[in-house]
Amino acid sequence: GIQVEQSPPDLILQEGANSTLRCNFSDSVNNLQWFHQNPWGQLINLFYIPSGTKQNGRLSATTVATERYSLLYISSSQTTDSGVYFCAASQGGSEKLVFGKGTKLTVNP
Amino acid sequence: DSGVTQTPKHLITATGQRVTLRCSPRSGDLSVYWYQQSLDQGLQFLIQYYNGEERAKGNILERFSAQQFPDLHSELNLSSLELGDSALYFCASSVSGGAEKLLFGSGTQLSVL
Repeated sequence: GIQVEQSPPDLILQEGANSTLRCNFSDSVNNLQWFHQNPWGQLINLFYIPSGTKQNGRLSATTVATERYSLLYISSSQTTDSGVYFCAASQGGSEKLVFGKGTKLTVNP
Repeated sequence: DSGVTQTPKHLITATGQRVTLRCSPRSGDLSVYWYQQSLDQGLQFLIQYYNGEERAKGNILERFSAQQFPDLHSELNLSSLELGDSALYFCASSVSGGAEKLLFGSGTQLSVL
């Protein structure tokens, strides 16, 4: 099955800094999503982005399907951005979203 | 609440016991997905139901079973519980069967003692 790898595993920032999180996947995908798990455990869907670029406020994501990677950009980070960011992907005809191990982001005031 | 509702939020039980986790999908969503999150395995897909029918199966143990009822709520049954079953169990829903834009519930934290 498809493999999903995320980097870096841990990231510590000062409030106001920008960051880029990367997700590599081993095969072509037709479904790619980014999630944020907050410190209380809630999983929030940030983007459904199997290809192209999307923006939502301070967050944006780009998926280059032909090169098998996706990037999540966080600008002007805030302490509320802390948590774990997961990338999840599935291949054509499969509903089995495979999650990466996540990037743990800590934003300090 | 128009989101995904999971009950109970916390469950503490003993080895060998059986428990049932409940999930109500977002209004209008036909698909329900169950995921298990543990420290060693991460987030793992267990099973998906679409409009009452099993649609996809993942790493679900034979001791575990699920169903989706006519009103679209779903239950995950875990039996002969072992210490290693302790985990956070999530339910998610989507409008279609293609796992697009999953909306997750707040999860059930299961502790097996």
